[in-house]
Amino acid sequence: AQSVTQPDIHITVSEGASLELRCNYSYGATPYLFWYVQSPGQGLQLLLKYFSGDTLVQGIKGFEAEFKRSQSSFNLRKPSVHWSDAAEYFCAVVVDSSYKLIFGSGTRLLVRP
Amino acid sequence: AAGVIQSPRHLIKEKRETATLKCYPIPRHDTVYWYQQGPGQDPQFLISFYEKMQSDKGSIPDRFSAQQFSDYHSELNMSSLELGDSALYFCASSLAAANTGELFFGEGSRLTVL
Repeated sequence: AQSVTQPDIHITVSEGASLELRCNYSYGATPYLFWYVQSPGQGLQLLLKYFSGDTLVQGIKGFEAEFKRSQSSFNLRKPSVHWSDAAEYFCAVVVDSSYKLIFGSGTRLLVRP
Repeated sequence: AAGVIQSPRHLIKEKRETATLKCYPIPRHDTVYWYQQGPGQDPQFLISFYEKMQSDKGSIPDRFSAQQFSDYHSELNMSSLELGDSALYFCASSLAAANTGELFFGEGSRLTVL
């Protein structure tokens, strides 16, 4: 079955430090790939998406992600984290024509002052 | 720009009661998805509709039903509520013809079952 894995449940970084959140998917073909962010009690905000083409995609709030087909990965990065980035981050994929999203279990980002 | 509107934003019900959540998609979007997110969980797909017809079904309990109306808004009806139904319910919409798989999410409706 198709799946999305986010191996890190929690990540803590210091403000100003770089960040990388991992995401791996299990699917034969290249799915559509997404990263969403969710602040406590809030909705899901799309950070960035990958459909095809350039494997390095830029998103909002200074985030970027790189699709690596050989590793079935779509890791999210940010060069310098801000305290306001503390939130839950979900990787998600669309794998068929129904376009329903399959979410990973999420990574909670904590930012140290 | 108009976004996905969900109502109510918060709802408190007793066990065995019934609840109805409403979703108004972005204008001209023809597809609606419902997700359930339990505390500390990732969103789980419940059901989707395209052009007022059910298009896919996920882990939706038999006690739940949903439909999409002629104006494309959708309602999720939940009966015989259980404590475990307490969750954040998201609606998302998309335009099928865009063929991008990008879903636009509402702010969610938080259901608390006491």
